[in-house]
Amino acid sequence: ILNVEQSPQSLHVQEGDSTNFTCSFPSSNFYALHWYRWETAKSPEALFVMTLNGDEKKKGRISATLNTKEGYSYLYIKGSQPEDSATYLCARNSGNTPLVFGKGTRLSVIA
Amino acid sequence: SQTIHQWPATLVQPVGSPLSLECTVEGTSNPNLYWYRQAAGRGLQLLFYSVGIGQISSEVPQNLSASRPQDRQFILSSKKLLLSDSGFYLCAWSLTGGSQPQHFGDGTRLSIL
Repeated sequence: ILNVEQSPQSLHVQEGDSTNFTCSFPSSNFYALHWYRWETAKSPEALFVMTLNGDEKKKGRISATLNTKEGYSYLYIKGSQPEDSATYLCARNSGNTPLVFGKGTRLSVIA
Repeated sequence: SQTIHQWPATLVQPVGSPLSLECTVEGTSNPNLYWYRQAAGRGLQLLFYSVGIGQISSEVPQNLSASRPQDRQFILSSKKLLLSDSGFYLCAWSLTGGSQPQHFGDGTRLSIL
């Protein structure tokens, strides 16, 4: 079993603040790292899939980086807004093996 | 475009009763299909996945089972529910390949009394 750890478990930030959180994972046999956003009363939505060491992806105010050698990924949110409040999940796999999810970081943005 | 339907949205069942949750995907062929559960205070746990009709892989031993009778239909079942089966169940699909994102249904909230 591949343990995927996310920190912090929860986070409260003020509107307009920038924030980031971490996903760490075993670096051996790495294939892909996924980030999902899971808003309350909705289903998880894919944000990014990254495969290469040094990958950096961006979607509006949200970006993610990947370090496969040391086994971590950061998710950054610039200028947080209340609509960014959600649980952010990362997941990792090896080749065609299923994704293993972390427990998520619950972000609350206070207006 | 592809869509995924999962039902019912909520379900309250007595201990020992059977279970059948259904998930269907439209707009794609031969998808990978998944069943996840999120128990209280825990992350998403993969229960079953399928890469084709009749092909089911089980990740966690339990009293649940899954079937894929048609290409885009995935069913989660139990003959006798336990209290520990309570949780939020999500169905998902993806194209083949580990770098393909997964697309989730709206989930089923299952409460066992």
